[in-house]
Amino acid sequence: GENVEQHPSTLSVQEGDSAVIKCTYSDSASNYFPWYKQELGKGPQLIIDIRSNVGEKKDQRIAVTLNKTAKHFSLHITETQPEDSAVYFCAASKGYGQNFVFGPGTRLSVLP
Amino acid sequence: SQTIHQWPATLVQPVGSPLSLECTVEGTSNPNLYWYRQAAGRGLQLLFYSVGIGQISSEVPQNLSASRPQDRQFILSSKKLLLSDSGFYLCAWSPGRDRGYTFGSGTRLTVV
Repeated sequence: GENVEQHPSTLSVQEGDSAVIKCTYSDSASNYFPWYKQELGKGPQLIIDIRSNVGEKKDQRIAVTLNKTAKHFSLHITETQPEDSAVYFCAASKGYGQNFVFGPGTRLSVLP
Repeated sequence: SQTIHQWPATLVQPVGSPLSLECTVEGTSNPNLYWYRQAAGRGLQLLFYSVGIGQISSEVPQNLSASRPQDRQFILSSKKLLLSDSGFYLCAWSPGRDRGYTFGSGTRLTVV
């Protein structure tokens, strides 16, 4: 079955710097890759997603890139702000209602 | 618009007591429904998922069970709680297509 790895497990950046979180997946049939942000004591919230027919997607300060050949995808956050501090999860799915496989999460801390 | 409700928000239960957590979804029909558990500082572990009324699939053997008595209602139960059942329980739904899950706000269960 699918296995999703995520690095780093923790990341600290200065406010205004960029943050990058990388995930790798094992099943080449996976074609949908969402990213979730979980703030303390709350459920994860979808922040951006990408499908395998797209190499990059951007939404304001966040972007996701996908390398299907290498089977990895990354979350990029630019101009980080303290409110970006949270745990971020990546996931992979084969689509069409197939269950997601989540990465173990990255705790991002943005230092003022 | 679709909304997901999960309750209670927090629960403290003694070892050996029963458990019932409820999740309901509004504004959609025939959703895929999921129960996840998140141990402190850990990732998301899929416990159960359901693609329709009465259809439950279990991902992890344990003393928990799930039921889907109505299209938009998903219940997580236990007859006798263990200390190891403590955690943050999340309900989620998806439209059954390759789109991101929407998570509920979670239930923090502490078994004492």
